[in-house]
Amino acid sequence: GESVGLHLPTLSVQEGDNSIINCAYSNSASDYFIWYKQESGKGPQFIIDIRSNMDKRQGQRVTVLLNKTVKHLSLQIAATQPGDSAVYFCAELGGTSYGKLTFGQGTILTVHP
Amino acid sequence: EPEVTQTPSHQVTQMGQEVILRCVPISNHLYFYWYRQILGQKVEFLVSFYNNEISEKSEIFDDQFSVERPDGSNFTLKIRSTKLEDSAMYFCASNVQGTSGNTIYFGEGSWLTVV
Repeated sequence: GESVGLHLPTLSVQEGDNSIINCAYSNSASDYFIWYKQESGKGPQFIIDIRSNMDKRQGQRVTVLLNKTVKHLSLQIAATQPGDSAVYFCAELGGTSYGKLTFGQGTILTVHP
Repeated sequence: EPEVTQTPSHQVTQMGQEVILRCVPISNHLYFYWYRQILGQKVEFLVSFYNNEISEKSEIFDDQFSVERPDGSNFTLKIRSTKLEDSAMYFCASNVQGTSGNTIYFGEGSWLTVV
């Protein structure tokens, strides 16, 4: 079936390093992708999104890259801080689905001071 | 910053009992959703709701589940007869439009424990 998944379940980095979190998707009809951050006991918090007509989008300290050829999505966090420690999910939205996000499994990011 | 609010934050209920989880979506949003997350697993779509009717629902959203917008601000999820496997965090979400490019905002969740 169609799915969105992550290559690495955990990522441990030192404060100040750059972090890269990866995501693979299999639904070629997906046209919108979102990265969410989830801290323990809280709801998914929007980080950044990208439409399928774009390859790259930058926010504050975060960059999302989309490679449609290999159906791959990545989230880059610059100068990672301890407050960035959380679970990061990618989610995709198909063209005709009204808000039916399909989430990946999640990557646990741990930032050591 | 506007946010989606949910109540209760945590509810413990006996198996077979009915529960109602409440949500107040962001005021200018038109599309509303419920998702759930079983402990340690990914977030799963349950249902989307627009113009006072269900737009789409997943296989999880069986006859035990129902949603309602009883007034202009609240959006509720009812589980008629809870089962142990209904124990999960339930997230309400909303956005302005349901189409791509319209950010979906999530609430903090209601943690349901069925005993």
